[in-house]
Amino acid sequence: AQKVTQAQTEISVVEKEDVTLDCVYETRDTTYYLFWYKQPPSGELVFLIRRNSFDEQNEISGRYSWNFQKSTSSFNFTITASQVVDSAVYFCALSEKAYGGATNKLIFGTGTLLAVQP
Amino acid sequence: ETGVTQSPTHLIKTRGQQVTLRCSSQSGHNTVSWYQQALGQGPQFIFQYYREEENGRGNFPPRFSGLQFPNYSSELNVNALELDDSALYLCASSLYQAGFGTEAFFGQGTRLTVV
Repeated sequence: AQKVTQAQTEISVVEKEDVTLDCVYETRDTTYYLFWYKQPPSGELVFLIRRNSFDEQNEISGRYSWNFQKSTSSFNFTITASQVVDSAVYFCALSEKAYGGATNKLIFGTGTLLAVQP
Repeated sequence: ETGVTQSPTHLIKTRGQQVTLRCSSQSGHNTVSWYQQALGQGPQFIFQYYREEENGRGNFPPRFSGLQFPNYSSELNVNALELDDSALYLCASSLYQAGFGTEAFFGQGTRLTVV
């Protein structure tokens, strides 16, 4: 069955520290997509990245980087030189080809609350 | 900010009542999905609408129903409210033609409290 696990419930760091958020997923599909979303206190989920199952290249976007490893079913997210504005709940999500690929259903993990202290 | 707007922002209802939540999708998007996010949990998929029809549903009872209108906006209706229905309800819009795994844009949510 499809599942996303974010084992870290809460992480607290001091500004300028690097932090890695872990994500492990389960799926029987060979074609799938993985996502990271950020949820600030306002509640809106902000899209950060999407990666398909055939692309294992790591990606860097400014202070953010993502490490996708199919061998360990992991899609980890690293923030370099964290800032107070990075404080939020971060969700990892999985999208599989269900309903003939017609449904864009996201399966979310339980989220990791990141607190960056000044 | 995304172009997805939800109303109302907050709502308090009594157990047994019915509630309607509304969502306007981002310009150019023709698919709307609804999610329920209980406190401290990740969002759970309720259903998706395209061409005014439901074309995917999560593990939610029939008292959760929806509508999509010709302008792609959508409503989520919940009948016979239960205390456990208290949650943040999120609407997401996307483009059907892009298929599964396409980027979905979320609204700010409606916080429903059932007392």
